[in-house]
Amino acid sequence: QSALTQPPSASGSPGQSVTISCTGTSSDVGTYNYVSWYQQHPGKAPKLFIYEVSKRPSGVPDRFSGSKSGNTASLTVSGLQAEDEADYYCSSYAGSNNFVVFGGGTKLTVL
Amino acid sequence: DVQLLESGGGLVQPGGSLRLSCAASGFTFRSYAMSWVRQAPGKGLEWVSSISGSSTVTYYADSVKGRFTISRDNSKNTLYLQMNNLRAEDTAVYYCAKGWVGPTNNWFDPWGQGTLVTVSS
Repeated sequence: QSALTQPPSASGSPGQSVTISCTGTSSDVGTYNYVSWYQQHPGKAPKLFIYEVSKRPSGVPDRFSGSKSGNTASLTVSGLQAEDEADYYCSSYAGSNNFVVFGGGTKLTVL
Repeated sequence: DVQLLESGGGLVQPGGSLRLSCAASGFTFRSYAMSWVRQAPGKGLEWVSSISGSSTVTYYADSVKGRFTISRDNSKNTLYLQMNNLRAEDTAVYYCAKGWVGPTNNWFDPWGQGTLVTVSS
């Protein structure tokens, strides 16, 4: 059982928007602004897509955005494209005992 | 370009040992913390261990504490993970990643391609 809770699946048609949630607790997501999101295509290594809740690394399309409210962080993908179909994982700093925790992952399907 | 290349994975019996390596290039290796993250087959990501740039600080997940040792050789731009007393539940793809798990810069970027460790008799 993962420390952060993500829906196992999400889907949308090309051009639509989809939001993936990541629910933690006051010990991680709710306290720290160190939520990250990773994209992973099958058989590939994860790739950082969002860090510090809403910042995008260079090269990540601005169709991807992150936000946080209370104990829940969210990744929104706007203008869905076929290449966005992948698994998405959230993570959060969880203090000096647990350090970093991950969500169980969400499989995003572009219909 | 930053590149991370893992090696050393393979099949090992329960109770056995294995040492993973991660060769880094494209950045000033000694200036950055490094980490290991694993992914069991068909499962999610699990942080394993992290080490500071100067090796003075190391952190471990409870699931591997006392069995795994992270280290680095800055003269060789290489990160290591010594894994002892391996268990079936350690079976996973092990990724090395540039990144830290402290209260700043708490993310992993980039990641290597991973190396598969299978613990089975």
